[in-house]
Amino acid sequence: KQEVTQIPAALSVPEGENLVLNCSFTDSAIYNLQWFRQDPGKGLTSLLLIQSSQREQTSGRLNASLDKSSGRSTLYIAASQPGDSATYLCAVRDNNDMRFGAGTRLTVKP
Amino acid sequence: SAVISQKPSRDICQRGTSLTIQCQVDSQVTMMFWYRQQPGQSLTLIATANQGSEATYESGFVIDKFPISRPNLTFSTLTVSNMSPEDSSIYLCSVEGEAGSYGYTFGSGTRLTVV
Repeated sequence: KQEVTQIPAALSVPEGENLVLNCSFTDSAIYNLQWFRQDPGKGLTSLLLIQSSQREQTSGRLNASLDKSSGRSTLYIAASQPGDSATYLCAVRDNNDMRFGAGTRLTVKP
Repeated sequence: SAVISQKPSRDICQRGTSLTIQCQVDSQVTMMFWYRQQPGQSLTLIATANQGSEATYESGFVIDKFPISRPNLTFSTLTVSNMSPEDSSIYLCSVEGEAGSYGYTFGSGTRLTVV
Protein backbone atom coordinates (compact mmCIF):
# COMPACT_ATOMS: atom_id res chain seq x y z
CA LYS A 1 0.00 0.00 0.00
CA GLN A 2 1.38 3.37 -1.07
CA GLU A 3 2.36 5.71 1.75
CA VAL A 4 3.16 9.38 1.23
CA THR A 5 5.14 11.41 3.76
CA GLN A 6 5.79 15.13 3.79
CA ILE A 7 8.53 16.85 5.71
CA PRO A 8 8.49 19.26 7.46
CA ALA A 9 4.95 19.34 8.84
CA ALA A 10 5.24 23.10 9.32
CA LEU A 11 7.65 25.76 8.14
CA SER A 12 7.95 29.46 8.91
CA VAL A 13 10.25 31.69 6.87
CA PRO A 14 10.78 35.43 6.35
CA GLU A 15 9.61 36.96 3.13
CA GLY A 16 12.07 36.64 0.25
CA GLU A 17 13.61 33.33 1.25
CA ASN A 18 13.88 30.40 -1.11
CA LEU A 19 12.53 27.19 0.38
CA VAL A 20 12.14 23.49 -0.31
CA LEU A 21 9.28 21.20 0.66
CA ASN A 22 9.83 17.45 0.62
CA CYS A 23 7.60 14.54 -0.30
CA SER A 24 8.49 10.84 -0.22
CA PHE A 25 6.53 7.79 -1.31
CA THR A 26 7.05 4.09 -0.75
CA ASP A 27 6.11 2.52 -4.09
CA SER A 28 7.90 3.86 -7.16
CA ALA A 29 5.34 2.39 -9.61
CA ILE A 30 3.42 5.63 -10.04
CA TYR A 31 1.60 7.33 -12.90
CA ASN A 32 2.25 10.85 -11.69
CA LEU A 33 2.81 13.10 -8.70
CA GLN A 34 0.85 16.28 -8.14
CA TRP A 35 1.50 19.24 -5.82
CA PHE A 36 -1.50 21.15 -4.46
CA ARG A 37 -2.00 24.28 -2.42
CA GLN A 38 -4.79 24.48 0.16
CA ASP A 39 -5.86 27.66 1.92
CA PRO A 40 -7.55 27.26 5.34
CA GLY A 41 -10.99 25.68 5.05
CA LYS A 42 -10.84 25.64 1.26
CA GLY A 43 -10.42 23.18 -1.58
CA LEU A 44 -7.22 22.18 -3.35
CA THR A 45 -5.60 24.15 -6.13
CA SER A 46 -3.30 22.19 -8.43
CA LEU A 47 0.17 23.73 -8.69
CA LEU A 48 2.24 21.27 -10.68
CA LEU A 49 1.72 17.82 -12.19
CA ILE A 50 4.76 15.64 -12.94
CA GLN A 51 4.23 12.55 -15.07
CA SER A 52 6.22 9.43 -14.16
CA SER A 53 8.45 9.93 -17.23
CA GLN A 54 9.35 13.49 -16.28
CA ARG A 55 12.02 14.79 -13.92
CA GLU A 56 10.68 18.25 -13.19
CA GLN A 57 8.04 20.85 -13.91
CA THR A 58 8.17 24.62 -13.51
CA SER A 59 5.52 27.28 -13.12
CA GLY A 60 6.58 30.80 -12.28
CA ARG A 61 8.42 30.77 -8.95
CA LEU A 62 7.63 27.09 -8.40
CA ASN A 63 9.73 24.15 -9.47
CA ALA A 64 8.89 20.54 -8.66
CA SER A 65 11.27 17.64 -9.18
CA LEU A 66 10.65 13.92 -9.22
CA ASP A 67 13.09 11.09 -8.53
CA LYS A 68 10.94 8.01 -8.98
CA SER A 69 13.65 5.50 -8.19
CA SER A 70 14.30 6.97 -4.76
CA GLY A 71 10.64 7.77 -4.11
CA ARG A 72 11.16 11.50 -3.64
CA SER A 73 9.82 14.80 -4.87
CA THR A 74 10.66 18.34 -3.89
CA LEU A 75 8.76 21.58 -4.36
CA TYR A 76 11.05 24.60 -4.60
CA ILE A 77 9.53 28.04 -4.01
CA ALA A 78 11.72 30.98 -4.98
CA ALA A 79 11.55 34.42 -3.40
CA SER A 80 8.70 33.51 -1.05
CA GLN A 81 5.88 36.00 -0.43
CA PRO A 82 3.28 36.30 2.36
CA GLY A 83 0.66 35.23 -0.20
CA ASP A 84 2.40 31.87 -0.44
CA SER A 85 1.25 31.07 3.10
CA ALA A 86 -0.90 27.94 2.85
CA THR A 87 -0.72 24.18 3.26
CA TYR A 88 1.07 22.35 0.47
CA LEU A 89 0.03 18.77 -0.28
CA CYS A 90 1.67 16.24 -2.52
CA ALA A 91 -0.33 13.37 -3.97
CA VAL A 92 0.79 10.26 -5.80
CA ARG A 93 -1.33 8.53 -8.44
CA ASP A 94 -0.62 4.83 -8.85
CA ASN A 95 -2.47 1.85 -10.27
CA ASN A 96 -4.97 1.84 -7.44
CA ASP A 97 -5.84 5.42 -6.61
CA MET A 98 -4.43 8.73 -5.45
CA ARG A 99 -2.69 8.97 -2.07
CA PHE A 100 -2.07 12.21 -0.25
CA GLY A 101 0.59 13.31 2.16
CA ALA A 102 -0.41 15.09 5.36
CA GLY A 103 0.88 18.40 4.01
CA THR A 104 3.38 21.08 4.97
CA ARG A 105 1.88 24.21 6.54
CA LEU A 106 3.91 27.16 5.26
CA THR A 107 3.92 30.62 6.85
CA VAL A 108 5.80 33.43 5.12
CA LYS A 109 6.29 36.40 7.42
CA PRO A 110 6.36 39.94 6.01
CA SER B 1 -8.68 21.20 -17.00
CA ALA B 2 -12.22 20.82 -15.73
CA VAL B 3 -13.88 23.43 -13.52
CA ILE B 4 -15.94 22.17 -10.57
CA SER B 5 -18.60 24.15 -8.74
CA GLN B 6 -19.22 22.80 -5.25
CA LYS B 7 -21.87 23.95 -2.81
CA PRO B 8 -22.52 24.79 -0.11
CA SER B 9 -19.12 26.21 0.75
CA ARG B 10 -19.82 25.81 4.46
CA ASP B 11 -22.62 24.90 6.82
CA ILE B 12 -23.31 24.47 10.51
CA CYS B 13 -25.73 21.61 11.16
CA GLN B 14 -27.51 20.11 14.11
CA ARG B 15 -26.68 16.64 15.34
CA GLY B 16 -28.93 13.99 13.77
CA THR B 17 -29.72 15.94 10.60
CA SER B 18 -28.45 15.35 7.05
CA LEU B 19 -26.65 17.58 4.57
CA THR B 20 -26.40 17.14 0.81
CA ILE B 21 -23.36 18.50 -1.00
CA GLN B 22 -23.48 19.14 -4.72
CA CYS B 23 -20.75 19.16 -7.36
CA GLN B 24 -21.25 20.36 -10.91
CA VAL B 25 -18.50 19.87 -13.52
CA ASP B 26 -18.24 21.95 -16.68
CA SER B 27 -17.46 18.89 -18.82
CA GLN B 28 -18.49 15.26 -18.97
CA VAL B 29 -16.39 12.96 -16.77
CA THR B 30 -16.60 9.25 -16.20
CA MET B 31 -15.65 9.16 -12.54
CA MET B 32 -16.09 11.61 -9.71
CA PHE B 33 -14.42 11.19 -6.35
CA TRP B 34 -15.55 12.26 -2.90
CA TYR B 35 -12.99 12.96 -0.17
CA ARG B 36 -13.13 13.83 3.50
CA GLN B 37 -10.52 15.92 5.29
CA GLN B 38 -10.85 15.83 9.05
CA PRO B 39 -9.35 18.70 11.06
CA GLY B 40 -5.58 18.69 10.81
CA GLN B 41 -5.56 15.58 8.63
CA SER B 42 -4.93 14.80 5.00
CA LEU B 43 -7.54 13.69 2.49
CA THR B 44 -9.27 10.33 2.71
CA LEU B 45 -11.21 8.90 -0.21
CA ILE B 46 -14.84 8.18 0.69
CA ALA B 47 -16.10 6.76 -2.59
CA THR B 48 -15.89 6.81 -6.36
CA ALA B 49 -19.07 7.73 -8.21
CA ASN B 50 -19.71 6.36 -11.70
CA GLN B 51 -22.64 7.45 -13.78
CA GLY B 52 -25.32 4.79 -14.05
CA SER B 53 -23.99 2.49 -11.36
CA GLU B 54 -23.64 2.25 -7.61
CA ALA B 55 -20.80 4.19 -6.04
CA THR B 56 -17.78 2.24 -4.85
CA TYR B 57 -17.05 2.90 -1.18
CA GLU B 58 -13.69 2.69 0.54
CA SER B 59 -13.14 0.69 3.68
CA GLY B 60 -14.73 2.41 6.66
CA PHE B 61 -17.41 4.23 4.64
CA VAL B 62 -20.92 2.88 4.01
CA ILE B 63 -23.75 3.85 1.72
CA ASP B 64 -26.27 4.35 4.53
CA LYS B 65 -24.08 7.04 6.06
CA PHE B 66 -22.80 8.63 2.84
CA PRO B 67 -25.33 8.04 0.04
CA ILE B 68 -24.12 9.29 -3.34
CA SER B 69 -26.04 10.13 -6.48
CA ARG B 70 -24.62 10.39 -9.99
CA PRO B 71 -27.54 11.14 -12.31
CA ASN B 72 -25.41 12.23 -15.28
CA LEU B 73 -21.84 12.77 -16.42
CA THR B 74 -21.54 16.31 -15.04
CA PHE B 75 -23.18 16.16 -11.61
CA SER B 76 -22.96 14.30 -8.32
CA THR B 77 -24.19 14.69 -4.75
CA LEU B 78 -22.89 13.36 -1.45
CA THR B 79 -25.20 13.24 1.56
CA VAL B 80 -23.83 13.09 5.09
CA SER B 81 -26.61 11.38 7.05
CA ASN B 82 -27.55 11.38 10.73
CA MET B 83 -24.65 13.66 11.50
CA SER B 84 -22.61 13.70 14.68
CA PRO B 85 -19.81 16.08 15.72
CA GLU B 86 -17.29 13.50 14.42
CA ASP B 87 -18.53 14.27 10.90
CA SER B 88 -17.20 17.82 11.15
CA SER B 89 -14.75 17.96 8.25
CA ILE B 90 -14.09 19.47 4.88
CA TYR B 91 -15.71 17.44 2.11
CA LEU B 92 -14.30 17.69 -1.40
CA CYS B 93 -15.26 16.37 -4.79
CA SER B 94 -12.73 15.72 -7.49
CA VAL B 95 -12.40 14.57 -11.08
CA GLU B 96 -9.48 13.11 -12.94
CA GLY B 97 -8.05 14.68 -16.06
CA GLU B 98 -8.15 13.17 -19.49
CA ALA B 99 -6.04 10.18 -20.45
CA GLY B 100 -2.39 11.09 -20.78
CA SER B 101 -2.63 13.63 -18.00
CA TYR B 102 -4.52 12.07 -15.09
CA GLY B 103 -4.07 15.18 -12.99
CA TYR B 104 -6.84 15.75 -10.46
CA THR B 105 -9.03 18.84 -10.17
CA PHE B 106 -10.88 19.61 -6.95
CA GLY B 107 -13.96 21.55 -6.02
CA SER B 108 -13.68 24.42 -3.55
CA GLY B 109 -14.72 22.22 -0.64
CA THR B 110 -17.60 22.19 1.86
CA ARG B 111 -16.65 23.02 5.43
CA LEU B 112 -19.11 21.19 7.67
CA THR B 113 -19.48 21.81 11.40
CA VAL B 114 -21.88 19.62 13.37
CA VAL B 115 -23.05 20.96 16.73
